[in-house]
Amino acid sequence: DQQVKQNSPSLSVQEGRISILNCDYTNSMFDYFLWYKKYPAEGPTFLISISSIKDKNEDGRFTVFLNKSAKHLSLHIVPSQPGDSAVYFCAASASSGGSYIPTFGRGTSLIVHP
Amino acid sequence: DAGVTQSPTHLIKTRGQQVTLRCSPKSGHDTVSWYQQALGQGPQFIFQYYEEEERQRGNFPDRFSGHQFPNYSSELNVNALLLGDSALYLCASSLVGRGPETQYFGPGTRLLVL
Repeated sequence: DQQVKQNSPSLSVQEGRISILNCDYTNSMFDYFLWYKKYPAEGPTFLISISSIKDKNEDGRFTVFLNKSAKHLSLHIVPSQPGDSAVYFCAASASSGGSYIPTFGRGTSLIVHP
Repeated sequence: DAGVTQSPTHLIKTRGQQVTLRCSPKSGHDTVSWYQQALGQGPQFIFQYYEEEERQRGNFPDRFSGHQFPNYSSELNVNALLLGDSALYLCASSLVGRGPETQYFGPGTRLLVL
């Protein structure tokens, strides 16, 4: 039973265009959401996060949107660059009890073509 | 400042054997978490160590055990290896009580069980 779902295994976009990666979750206790980027032979690196009290968080070219009623979040990358090509993981955690352990989705492989 | 380091990078074992994986946390970090990333899946939380004790544990059998040393480094032990234990094992370090965005991941150890 996957609590965090990334239904698109891969996404291909042209350099300069927008990349939109989607993520759905089922656990209502999740109140903190993160996106990680992973290059081959490296561990995941934290990219951007959003708390459930917000519906948008922006950091440079990266914006995360949260729709709590739909239990859906998305990561927008504008403009996309070839160096953005990587696997992107969506993750969610519940802060109750101070756990902070993230539950990860399966990842979406983004390829940005020059 | 060295980040999270893991050894070995690759390992091949046969069914029924035992394996030990090692992790050195980022300088200044006191908490170590271990994750298993099977092929095509996202990282799954195994357990977390702080002050040389297991603080939290994911849904993994007792064949998976760990240890944390006084210098905060950690080991993951897996007994009676199964084919399904083949995966990338990721170590992540952080400071106790901080959110998941503060976790730094190592590059992982790729374990193949034949």
